[in-house]
Amino acid sequence: GEDVEQSLFLSVREGDSSVINCTYTDSSSTYLYWYKQEPGAGLQLLTYIFSNMDMKQDQRLTVLLNKKDKHLSLRIADTQTGDSAIYFCAERRDSSYKLIFGSGTRLLVRP
Amino acid sequence: EPEVTQTPSHQVTQMGQEVILRCVPISNHLYFYWYRQILGQKVEFLVSFYNNEISEKSEIFDDQFSVERPDGSNFTLKIRSTKLEDSAMYFCASGKTGVDSPLHFGNGTRLTVT
Repeated sequence: GEDVEQSLFLSVREGDSSVINCTYTDSSSTYLYWYKQEPGAGLQLLTYIFSNMDMKQDQRLTVLLNKKDKHLSLRIADTQTGDSAIYFCAERRDSSYKLIFGSGTRLLVRP
Repeated sequence: EPEVTQTPSHQVTQMGQEVILRCVPISNHLYFYWYRQILGQKVEFLVSFYNNEISEKSEIFDDQFSVERPDGSNFTLKIRSTKLEDSAMYFCASGKTGVDSPLHFGNGTRLTVT
């Protein structure tokens, strides 16, 4: 099936780390993406990882991929109020153009 | 930084009318996409387009939908006879190359069918 699952909501205190989790079902996933959506805005590409990688770090963002468990996570270090948004994970499967999205995790950063 | 632009930001139309949603992809990108998000639901793939033809489409993309690249910069989605259930946010995206290239999305057009 085409299932990408995320928890719906995460609340953290400003300055703490946030970890947003995602699971997917298809082992033929080749690329996995994280997008951020602020209110009224489009989908902003944050980072992505190729399926033969375990980890990718980009400034405050760390992506971890556990291919055996089909689990992807996005860690945001030193979370700021400006990080409050909906975060979508998405997968792209072998030889397909389409991205399959999760339902999004709403991150609320409390001052 | 170059970005994908979409117009209009909000379109209201009556059931049965035709609408055209417009997009200007990033200029050196070769692959173009439409996605939609019905309120409260997941972002869904509609169609991908490369070299002036559809490269992949979903089951949602039936005969009422069509895409076109009428010139060197615009990419359009036409919905021929809109239905109430077509109300959604429609996102255009572009990618530099094919399946190994990340997608960059526009801010979306909110389509409301009354």
